[in-house]
Amino acid sequence: AQSVSQHNHHVILSEAASLELGCNYSYGGTVNLFWYVQYPGQHLQLLLKYFSGDPLVKGIKGFEAEFIKSKFSFNLRKPSVQWSDTAEYFCAVIPSGGYQKVTFGTGTKLQVIP
Amino acid sequence: EPEVTQTPSHQVTQMGQEVILRCVPISNHLYFYWYRQILGQKVEFLVSFYNNEISEKSEIFDDQFSVERPDGSNFTLKIRSTKLEDSAMYFCASRAETGGGSYGYTFGSGTRLTVV
Repeated sequence: AQSVSQHNHHVILSEAASLELGCNYSYGGTVNLFWYVQYPGQHLQLLLKYFSGDPLVKGIKGFEAEFIKSKFSFNLRKPSVQWSDTAEYFCAVIPSGGYQKVTFGTGTKLQVIP
Repeated sequence: EPEVTQTPSHQVTQMGQEVILRCVPISNHLYFYWYRQILGQKVEFLVSFYNNEISEKSEIFDDQFSVERPDGSNFTLKIRSTKLEDSAMYFCASRAETGGGSYGYTFGSGTRLTVV
């Protein structure tokens, strides 16, 4: 079965700082990878996804993530965070094909200080 | 952009009562899911549903839970005899067919269930 690890549980940054959130997954086959964001009191929203092709994926709101197959990693980055990026970020993996379920990481709470 | 709609947004129920959480998936999607998130914890898979039957379920999804697609549009999660520990945010999700095109995996806005 697949699993996802997010090593940073709580990150505090000042506005304009750069962000990198780590995500590692474990699965023996081909996977699709996602980053979701959950703003306080709101539902999960898709930030970006990787299926195939260019391992550098650009998402909404200036976020990007890089899939490094050899490291089983899919880290999320943003060059300059804003106060409105305060939220919880979940990395997720789904094996390719069929009706496979999404497996989520434990999430990283990001707090951006104005 | 198409949405997955969940109702109600918040439901309070007494312990031991039955609740039905409702979801309207995106119309051309074929795979349906329920997940839950207990406050402060990660999102957990409950069940997947395809071709009018359960395709996979987690160990959380015991006999207390059931799912149904009673018509062509709704997808429901029934929780019988609710317990305090069932209090959580329940997310419905739906997904398009695989094999070409976008995965289209979309979550609804969630139903917050509070068992008192």
